[in-house]
Amino acid sequence: QVQLVQTGPEVKKPGASVKVSCKALGYTFINHGISWVRQAPGQGLEWMGRISPYTGDTSYAQKFQGRVTLTTEISTNTAYMELRSLTSDDTAVFYCGRNLQMGSYYFGMDVWGQGTTVTVSS
Amino acid sequence: DIQMTQSPSSLSASIGDRVTITCRASESVRNYISWYQQKPGKAPKFLIYAASTLQSGVPSRFSGSGSGTDFSLTISSLQPEDFGTYYCQQTYSTSWTFGQGTKVEV
Repeated sequence: QVQLVQTGPEVKKPGASVKVSCKALGYTFINHGISWVRQAPGQGLEWMGRISPYTGDTSYAQKFQGRVTLTTEISTNTAYMELRSLTSDDTAVFYCGRNLQMGSYYFGMDVWGQGTTVTVSS
Repeated sequence: DIQMTQSPSSLSASIGDRVTITCRASESVRNYISWYQQKPGKAPKFLIYAASTLQSGVPSRFSGSGSGTDFSLTISSLQPEDFGTYYCQQTYSTSWTFGQGTKVEV
């Protein structure tokens, strides 16, 4: 069964960093990119960036550029999202998703992780 | 970034109604539009890609159309399990963006 399994909830203080993991199961990890999406409480979906496990290439939303780093670990089929300099505005659920790609074209995210709640509070 | 604007922001409909949600891009995204359904406390569910291609396992009452800047998601006969918030997403540009969402109440 194809699935993405994310780490559990995190509580962080303002100014800290958080690193969320996303483990891929049931498919060949390097064949699909991974995107990350943030959803603040009661708000919509916000795309943060994507990474290709095969090439390591990344693309980040301008809003998060310089504050987020996406990485992958091929040996464990795991993707990571690290967000630095956290503020209360970063309190949100963070999702990873598998990119549906055909050739060099992307068509959305067909499999999603269950989400990781990150709470930023002093 | 390409801005995606959905309308309406919310709607209330009856079982069996035909429901249409629209999504407008600030510039052409060709057909690189996906649609998702999200229920409270759950991850989004992938419904449609390439503007009109139904994801495997999604009921045929869902359909998508459009190209360029104007797109729509239609539910031909609304069912009780179709409540939730629907989002469009463009994947044409390097930086992907979502619409703000449309909440469907049944």
